Amino acid sequence: AQRVTQPEKLLSVFKGAPVELKCNYSYSGSPELFWYVQYSRQRLQLLLRHISRESIKGFTADLNKGETSFHLKKPFAQEEDSAMYYCALSGRGGSNYKLTFGKGTLLTVNP
Amino acid sequence: NAGVMQNPRHLVRRRGQEARLRCSPMKGHSHVYWYRQLPEEGLKFMVYLQKENIIDESGMPKERFSAEFPKEGPSILRIQQVVRGDSAAYFCASSGSQSSWGETQYFGPGTRLLVL
Repeated sequence: AQRVTQPEKLLSVFKGAPVELKCNYSYSGSPELFWYVQYSRQRLQLLLRHISRESIKGFTADLNKGETSFHLKKPFAQEEDSAMYYCALSGRGGSNYKLTFGKGTLLTVNP
Repeated sequence: NAGVMQNPRHLVRRRGQEARLRCSPMKGHSHVYWYRQLPEEGLKFMVYLQKENIIDESGMPKERFSAEFPKEGPSILRIQQVVRGDSAAYFCASSGSQSSWGETQYFGPGTRLLVL
């Protein structure tokens, strides 16, 4: 079974501070990991995925297979980063379209 | 491109009534996925459809829930005889081909269903 755990329901930081949103997963094979973001009154949108190895809006995430983690990091948080962040996983093979989401972390960046 | 459209955005039903949720995928997309988000939970996969075909409904409750994606028109998620436990946000996503490592799922704004 695949599972995604986001241990922090709420995270509050000050503008300019580093931020790390934690994500741990459970999957028997090699998964694909994603971070989705939902800004206030907007729809869920893809922020980044581990295979693309991109940095989007200053965010990065590294897949650590040993620790089964995919933490999202940004060195200097901005107020516009305040949003709900969801970590998600899909497997390989025939049902790789099924995304499994964590419960989300609400990030608040204070001025 | 208006993106994935869902309507209604909010739906209130009394116990025992039927709920119909609609999803229009992005232009050019023929793959639709439905997810449910219960309060304080993450999104859970329900069903994957292509035009006129249900590909995977392994996440759908066995009773009262059904989904379709006709040749013409939006995809419909139908919940018969709703109960309070059906209160949730229902999200639809679409992709241009089977979502895989190369395809992104684009999400709609969701329908918030409240059962009184």
